Amino acid sequence: SAVISQKPSRDICQRGTSLTIQCQVDSQVTMMFWYRQQPGQSLTLIATANQGSEATYESGFVIDKFPISRPNLTFSTLTVSNMSPEDSSIYLCSVEKGLAGGFWSENIQYFGAGTRLSVL
Amino acid sequence: AQKITQTQPGMFVQEKEAVTLDCTYDTSDQSYGLFWYKQPSSGEMIFLIYQGSYDEQNATEGRYSLNFQKARKSANLVISASQLGDSAMYFCAMRELYNQGGKLIFGQGTELSVKP
Repeated sequence: SAVISQKPSRDICQRGTSLTIQCQVDSQVTMMFWYRQQPGQSLTLIATANQGSEATYESGFVIDKFPISRPNLTFSTLTVSNMSPEDSSIYLCSVEKGLAGGFWSENIQYFGAGTRLSVL
Repeated sequence: AQKITQTQPGMFVQEKEAVTLDCTYDTSDQSYGLFWYKQPSSGEMIFLIYQGSYDEQNATEGRYSLNFQKARKSANLVISASQLGDSAMYFCAMRELYNQGGKLIFGQGTELSVKP
């Protein structure tokens, strides 16, 4: 498994400001993932962050709004920029751990505790 | 079309009884993985159990078991001897080896409430 520390756990922000969420893992991982969970909804993948390259964003998410950094193999940040009330969500980071020689589809994603963001 | 369907928005179960949470999936891939996660009100996502498409035996992890029926494309989660701490949202998820870019796709979730 993996131990993932995500900060802050929650925040209340004003419209138009930005918030940076940190994700720290207890071991080196190739890929880190950022998800958004809007109130009462399921998880939606925002982007995949590989160390040493630009993050890959999913449809509907853009780098200007959700810039991501991945400076090393144990750390990543997600910034929610120019926030509006529609950005009020839980943001979660996750990492993959798999069995050596196993199928890629068998990799388990482990999640941080999430950041509960409210935008006023 | 929905890749993962959880038809029960909410479920109630009496403490110490067993409960089954339904999950059906849609894929044309031969290699895929099925996952269940628990999300308490605190918001964290907790991995519970995994089933591979080639696994012939149903996965079990303590009080959790996965009732895998490949021909019916269903992967129901069974929780035995429910406890009050099992009250949470439960998400079924799938990852295909080739389709969807290998992303983990989640269902809409089932909210389980355990009654004392």
